[in-house]
Amino acid sequence: GQQLNQSPQSMFIQEGEDVSMNCTSSSIFNTWLWYKQEPGEGPVLLIALYKAGELTSNGRLTAQFGITRKDSFLNISASIPSDVGIYFCAGPPSGTYKYIFGTGTRLKVLA
Amino acid sequence: NAGVTQTPKFQVLKTGQSMTLQCAQDMNHNSMYWYRQDPGMGLRLIYYSASEGTTDKGEVPNGYNVSRLNKREFSLRLESAAPSQTSVYFCASSLGDRDYEQYFGPGTRLTVT
Repeated sequence: GQQLNQSPQSMFIQEGEDVSMNCTSSSIFNTWLWYKQEPGEGPVLLIALYKAGELTSNGRLTAQFGITRKDSFLNISASIPSDVGIYFCAGPPSGTYKYIFGTGTRLKVLA
Repeated sequence: NAGVTQTPKFQVLKTGQSMTLQCAQDMNHNSMYWYRQDPGMGLRLIYYSASEGTTDKGEVPNGYNVSRLNKREFSLRLESAAPSQTSVYFCASSLGDRDYEQYFGPGTRLTVT
């Protein structure tokens, strides 16, 4: 089946550092979404992107819809301990409205 | 406004037993979804309901059945549980099936021995 590959798989960073992660697919997407999942909880929507090239911010988070429509990027600036969690990209490949999720990037922040 | 609620939070079953996972949303959403999440993996879609009265298979439907009881409730049934169904199950909802912003419940952690 179709896959969304996320990198890196995991990151250990110091508090205050900036974080970058990305999501790539072999298929074209018309919508990209980024979720965060904390331990023992369900995913929570962070940012939704609807147009190639779109750059959208939500506080310290910024996400971009890649111009090839096959990738997306998430940046977190000035990380804090509560940023810990797993970040997933997701969306429906073009031609379908069935969601697929990426493999996730696990973020740990060292105080 | 509770959002998406799921019951139970935890469940242990023996192989061959059956059970139903319950999900309800109070956001007046039309579409609802069931996912499973296995260790170290993303979520995979089991079944979804685009609107009340309709259901359709997702990526991994085998061994499961669903019922869209009304607009608020969407249940997932395991008729004969197998160890391979040990997973965390999440229910989600969205305004419509073309509205891709989904809202998730807290999950049900199921172990099949």
